Amino acid sequence: NAGVTQTPKFQVLKTGQSMTLQCAQDMNHEYMSWYRQDPGMGLRLIHYSVGAGITDQGEVPNGYNVSRSTTEDFPLRLLSAAPSQTSVYFCASRRAGGQPQHFGDGTRLSIL
Amino acid sequence: QQQVKQSPQSLIVQKGGISIINCAYENTAFDYFPWYQQFPGKGPALLIAIRPDVSEKKEGRFTISFNKSAKQFSLHIMDSQPGDSATYFCAASRPRGGSNYKLTFGKGTLLTVNP
Repeated sequence: NAGVTQTPKFQVLKTGQSMTLQCAQDMNHEYMSWYRQDPGMGLRLIHYSVGAGITDQGEVPNGYNVSRSTTEDFPLRLLSAAPSQTSVYFCASRRAGGQPQHFGDGTRLSIL
Repeated sequence: QQQVKQSPQSLIVQKGGISIINCAYENTAFDYFPWYQQFPGKGPALLIAIRPDVSEKKEGRFTISFNKSAKQFSLHIMDSQPGDSATYFCAASRPRGGSNYKLTFGKGTLLTVNP
């Protein structure tokens, strides 16, 4: 049972490039979320999904897209990377109506 | 508007001492208050959580104290150990039946326990 798996673990991009951060969970959780973690800022919610085909915006959604075609996968797309998107990105999942959230180990993204 | 305020930002404690981290919230609709622990290079993991119908919850060396009237809750780590050195986040969420059933996190406290 792998839990929440994020790939890649590290990535360096140039400004303007696009990329997709992958997130997969094997716990059959309905809810999945993406957070970004910046020094002194805690964890801020980017986008979340309450089930396949359903997504919604969180606190800081600008510059990011998501889709949820299956229960297991919830990729995060950066459309045109900007230095302000340099951060550590965490994916999390949980069952509907319950806690806790289970987090992956993060993707460390640097944008030059 | 920061809905969950956490203090201190960093904390240094000697081995065997008591670590105390405080959080305050503004939204009285919050009804679930977890604490997450994060080690370097890892994602946060649930440590302990409380609902507002109790004033205290204890799990081993970790205790949450909850003051509903003051809208404050705190994490106490008794007999702190070097292995407890990590970043701790408090969080809060609204009732599970609502459309906004999402966690709002504090900004985190970096705890260092010296041997």
